[in-house]
Amino acid sequence: GNSVTQMEGPVTLSEEAFLTINCTYTATGYPSLFWYVQYPGEGLQLLLKATKADDKGSNKGFEATYRKETTSFHLEKGSVQVSDSAVYFCALSGIGQGAQKLVFGQGTRLTINP
Amino acid sequence: DAMVIQNPRYQVTQFGKPVTLSCSQTLNHNVMYWYQQKSSQAPKLLFHYYDKDFNNEADTPDNFQSRRPNTSFCFLDIRSPGLGDAAMYLCATSGRTGYNSPLHFGNGTRLTVT
Repeated sequence: GNSVTQMEGPVTLSEEAFLTINCTYTATGYPSLFWYVQYPGEGLQLLLKATKADDKGSNKGFEATYRKETTSFHLEKGSVQVSDSAVYFCALSGIGQGAQKLVFGQGTRLTINP
Repeated sequence: DAMVIQNPRYQVTQFGKPVTLSCSQTLNHNVMYWYQQKSSQAPKLLFHYYDKDFNNEADTPDNFQSRRPNTSFCFLDIRSPGLGDAAMYLCATSGRTGYNSPLHFGNGTRLTVT
């Protein structure tokens, strides 16, 4: 079945540091890939997505490229801020009964220190 | 603003006492999902509704039921909560078929079982 593996956290960085959170996936077919972010006390929000190989998703300074050859979708940001502290989830989608069914990684907790 | 609203934010119930969590949406989306998220784990899909059609995941315990009386509302019923059912329950919606349309999440209900 489909699965997503993220690098284990927690990750702690200083402000303005470079961020990489690794994500690899196993899937049949050609799923879409997503990064969701969960800020403290809130639900999940879509951060970025990519729908086919070599697509790059980007938002709020974050980027991730859909790499079919390495089955990866690593999240990167060049200079993190304290406000980026949150839990980040990589996910892929499959289709079932007309609905989108997300399979999530286990999440990576990111803490940015000033 | 259009959104997904979950009530209550925090729910405490006793072992074996039925409990209902609610979700409402103003997005007019035709798909509604319930996810279970245990501490430090990935959200796990329990079931979803595509319009009025209910779709249960194969490994969702019979203890969990759902109702969708109309487009806007969806309920999660736990008939006899056990200690292992303590978790964050996330409601989400999506508006279109296809595997690249994002899910919109509520802020979740954190369930405690005493």
